[in-house]
Amino acid sequence: QKEVEQNSGPLSVPEGAIASLNCTYSDRVSQSFFWYRQYSGKSPELIMSIYSNGDKEDGRFTAQLNKASQYVSLLIRDSQPSDSATYLCAVNGGRSNYQLIWGAGTKLIIKP
Amino acid sequence: AAGVIQSPRHLIKEKRETATLKCYPIPRHDTVYWYQQGPGQDPQFLISFYEKMQSDKGSIPDRFSAQQFSDYHSELNMSSLELGDSALYFCASSLTNNEQFFGPGTRLTVL
Repeated sequence: QKEVEQNSGPLSVPEGAIASLNCTYSDRVSQSFFWYRQYSGKSPELIMSIYSNGDKEDGRFTAQLNKASQYVSLLIRDSQPSDSATYLCAVNGGRSNYQLIWGAGTKLIIKP
Repeated sequence: AAGVIQSPRHLIKEKRETATLKCYPIPRHDTVYWYQQGPGQDPQFLISFYEKMQSDKGSIPDRFSAQQFSDYHSELNMSSLELGDSALYFCASSLTNNEQFFGPGTRLTVL
C-alpha cells in the first residue's frame, strides 16, 4: 500500500463547479501537507500548504486537514479550464523530515 | 521573485555516457532536493542537501552522485547512463524543512 493515496482519476468537473480532490496518508506522525499542481511536461507548482487541523483558504483554493482521519483534501471553487492538470498530494515530517512522500496524483479535467 | 534555476533544460546522451545537471536554488534557501519523474509517474526523491551536507537519500542509483557547493548550487552527476534514466529531473529548494519550490526541470533523453 502506497503511503500517500490519491484517486488517479480522471476527475471531470463542469466549468464553474467545485472540484474536490482527496488524499489519505498512512504515517500518523506526518506534520506538513502540500498540494502541488502539475501541467503535463512541467514542474510541480506549490499551490497550498497546511499544517494544522481545519480549513485553509487562498483565493479559489481551500485545503482541509483532518489528522485524526489522516485525510487532506483540496477544494477548487469556480473551476476554470486552466485548472485542468494533475494535482499531487505530498506529505512530510514523518519518518524523514526532508523527504516528501508523494501521492500518484489526480488528473482533473474541467469541461467548458 | 527569483525561482529555482536548472540547466540544461534539455539533454540528449548516448548509453554509457555521463551527464551533469545543475541547480541554483532560490536565494537564501538552505536545502536542495533532487527528483526524477518518469512519464505518468509521481516524482521520485533521489537525494537532498542541507547546508551543503547530504541530509537524506532516496532511490538514487549508485551510478549517480550529487553535491552542494559553497554557493549552495547543486550538481547531479550521472554516469554509465542507461535507457531507463530517460526522465524529467527536477531540483527543488526550501528554507530549512519548509515548502519546496521546484525548478523547471531538465529533460534527459538517453539514446
